Amino acid sequence: EAGVTQFPSHSVIEKGQTVTLRCDPISGHDNLYWYRRVMGKEIKFLLHFVKESKQDESGMPNNRFLAERTGGTYSTLKVQPAELEDSGVYFCASSQDLSGEGYTFGSGTRLTVV
Amino acid sequence: DQQVKQNSPSLSVQEGRISILNCDYTNSMFDYFLWYKKYPAEGPTFLISISSIKDKNEDGRFTVFLNKSAKHLSLHIVPSQPGDSAVYFCAASAQAAGTYKYIFGTGTRLKVLA
Repeated sequence: EAGVTQFPSHSVIEKGQTVTLRCDPISGHDNLYWYRRVMGKEIKFLLHFVKESKQDESGMPNNRFLAERTGGTYSTLKVQPAELEDSGVYFCASSQDLSGEGYTFGSGTRLTVV
Repeated sequence: DQQVKQNSPSLSVQEGRISILNCDYTNSMFDYFLWYKKYPAEGPTFLISISSIKDKNEDGRFTVFLNKSAKHLSLHIVPSQPGDSAVYFCAASAQAAGTYKYIFGTGTRLKVLA
């Protein structure tokens, strides 16, 4: 089975620009998660979709971040306008059930805001 | 305030010896714990889990120990192999409280020397 796919793998943008990250979960996985790792720090939860609904968005840092999952398939995470502190690696994960054991992570998108 | 702490950023161990990675947590509501392994340029992959009703879980060379009174868990790898060299993250969730997001530590980089 295909894994979780994220693209782009790298993105370098200027402060103030907009960037959209995409995640294609494993087919049939209702649960989709976004996490972020800032340089050398912990992997931080951003939000959790169940199908197309936001189950938990308590980790979203501010309203410059917008996540969508139209139709319950792929998801996008838009950052607008990007700030320097948004730099980091953004991971997407999907699972069939709610147990963390079932998480499959993508390889991440490394975002650099200059 | 970091709820899951991995105080050792790095660890070097000789091949064939035991690797012990430690993790402390502060939230007494956490009831499910995971260890993930991460290679460079890849997403984290699930390694082993333990629920709060147990104090030990074993899977091949990997054993996780949980000490609830001390709010401490550890991952033992015996015997360590060069392929185990990676960054290891512990993660915790409070599933009985209805939250399925995982709180991750900052990771410990393990280097197994041949």
